[in-house]
Amino acid sequence: NAGVTQTPKFQVLKTGQSMTLQCAQDMNHNSMYWYRQDPGMGLRLIYYSASEGTTDKGEVPNGYNVSRLNKREFSLRLESAAPSQTSVYFCASRGDLVGHGYTFGSGTRLTVV
Amino acid sequence: GNSVTQMEGPVTLSEEAFLTINCTYTATGYPSLFWYVQYPGEGLQLLLKATKADDKGSNKGFEATYRKETTSFHLEKGSVQVSDSAVYFCALYYNQGGKLIFGQGTELSVKP
Repeated sequence: NAGVTQTPKFQVLKTGQSMTLQCAQDMNHNSMYWYRQDPGMGLRLIYYSASEGTTDKGEVPNGYNVSRLNKREFSLRLESAAPSQTSVYFCASRGDLVGHGYTFGSGTRLTVV
Repeated sequence: GNSVTQMEGPVTLSEEAFLTINCTYTATGYPSLFWYVQYPGEGLQLLLKATKADDKGSNKGFEATYRKETTSFHLEKGSVQVSDSAVYFCALYYNQGGKLIFGQGTELSVKP
């Protein structure tokens, strides 16, 4: 099925551990995004990539890094996890047409203890 | 800057009641406006959209009209069902910024 695939779906980390969240889309979209969702705060943009080879910071980039490996894949890395990074993470992609909405993955629920 | 403000939830309604979820925005230029829905344990799905003033987006009985004069994009449905229970997000996209900006979300609970 066409769409955005995120892995893993669930993860528990200890403070200080590192991990990479994977995201891949098969819709040939140029733009990809990473959001985090916290209760009462909606979705906040962490990083985005307008095209292959480019990445830009969003609203809450501290503590994260990203890699746009190719047009399909956009990964998010936590180098040294902190409890404040406990959240649900969503990857999304967007086509280039004006008014084109985002397609979201099903999310990764991350707990840092 | 650009921002989206939604009415606070949770909103609790009885089945077949009329639904309004208010959304107002602040933006430079002429953004596109969206409503997304998130069912429990799932990602966000596009519900409807409008790309210019006075456009009406509609889907699954939900409607929203892009009102430039009041900078609003309120979501309405004439008769809600239990299956409409979800979190609803209003969002705007402006081409110059290349990013989707979300409101904080409104939780809707529909009781039988």
